[in-house]
Amino acid sequence: EAGVAQSPRYKIIEKRQSVAFWCNPISGHATLYWYQQILGQGPKLLIQFQNNGVVDDSQLPKDRFSAERLKGVDSTLKIQPAKLEDSAVYLCASSRTSTSYEQYFGPGTRLTVT
Amino acid sequence: GQNIDQPTEMTATEGAIVQINCTYQTSGFNGLFWYQQHAGEAPTFLSYNVLDGLEEKGRFSSFLSRSKGYSYLLLKELQMKDSASYLCAVMDSNYQLIWGAGTKLIIKP
Repeated sequence: EAGVAQSPRYKIIEKRQSVAFWCNPISGHATLYWYQQILGQGPKLLIQFQNNGVVDDSQLPKDRFSAERLKGVDSTLKIQPAKLEDSAVYLCASSRTSTSYEQYFGPGTRLTVT
Repeated sequence: GQNIDQPTEMTATEGAIVQINCTYQTSGFNGLFWYQQHAGEAPTFLSYNVLDGLEEKGRFSSFLSRSKGYSYLLLKELQMKDSASYLCAVMDSNYQLIWGAGTKLIIKP
């Protein structure tokens, strides 16, 4: 079974630029999560999808962050414009359903904003 | 508010035993998780406790006391490859994971 795929693995941009991250969850997993993990901290949930619908985006800074999962499979997370404090690892995870207890994480995208 | 507390860093010796504690206050409880995260890598699942007591899985064991809002992860026969961060997370009433900041475990020869 293939794991959660993410790209790119690393990205360096200047502040005020835009960036997009891509995630392909495990086949058959209905629930997809985007987390932000700042160095030395635990993951922070940005947005949760159930199929192509949003379950929770209460911690997503909607003035600059957006995410979509149009066909209920892969997903993109965009930041526009980026700020220095957006430097973090962006983790995508998936689970079979929204009440499944185990989440499977992708390798993450390390974003550096200069 | 919701809160997960765990020590920032611990040091232990190869071959020894170490216990990493976690205390929590959350809105509802649907289980407590321990994840291992090596530097620069994604978290990987270690254990899940939803009932009080000890769950043993090889060299790793996890304990839960719901009445005390307390858990620990016990690692035995420590190996150098166990050097990593250990994240405690609680699934709340909305089935969302609330994460601690992680405990960085340093293993010395």
